[in-house]
Amino acid sequence: EAGVTQFPSHSVIEKGQTVTLRCDPISGHDNLYWYRRVMGKEIKFLLHFVKESKQDESGMPNNRFLAERTGGTYSTLKVQPAELEDSGVYFCASSQEFRTEQFFGPGTRLTVL
Amino acid sequence: QKEVEQDPGPLSVPEGAIVSLNCTYSNSAFQYFMWYRQYSRKGPELLMYTYSSGNKEDGRFTAQVDKSSKYISLFIRDSQPSDSATYLCAMSVDSNYQLIWGAGTKLIIKP
Repeated sequence: EAGVTQFPSHSVIEKGQTVTLRCDPISGHDNLYWYRRVMGKEIKFLLHFVKESKQDESGMPNNRFLAERTGGTYSTLKVQPAELEDSGVYFCASSQEFRTEQFFGPGTRLTVL
Repeated sequence: QKEVEQDPGPLSVPEGAIVSLNCTYSNSAFQYFMWYRQYSRKGPELLMYTYSSGNKEDGRFTAQVDKSSKYISLFIRDSQPSDSATYLCAMSVDSNYQLIWGAGTKLIIKP
């Protein structure tokens, strides 16, 4: 069974540009989460999808971040326009309904110059 | 004050030693407790999951939760160089809910 996949693995952009990160969860997992780790800090929650609906987006830092989950399958996280403080590693995770175990992808390392 | 406190280390021990990793937390509503292992440039990998208080064992790994003290531990027996990684604790108040993370402890097992 394939795990959670994320694309790209690494992205380097300039301040003010737009970047879109993609996450493909484990097949059959209705729950999809985005997290972020900024250098020197703990991993922080961004948002949670149940199928195509946003269940909890309390961790989204501001309106420059837009997350979507088309048809309840893959998800995208767009940052527009990117700022220096957006640099970090963005992780996606998925879990089955009513199960706590979250399985993580390898992350996308975003560098904003 | 952080919700979850974890010593970032690094913690260096000789091969074969018993390793003890710990986290403390402040939110008494946490019910689900997890330990993840993360190798460099990889995503967190779920090692152990415990609901409420008690112990759970899986091979060389044992997880303990003491809710009265708001303290969780992960023990690794017969440690191997391949166990060298960053170990992160994570907690949640409910299933299918956001995880709150510790900073992670960098563990080094010396051959």
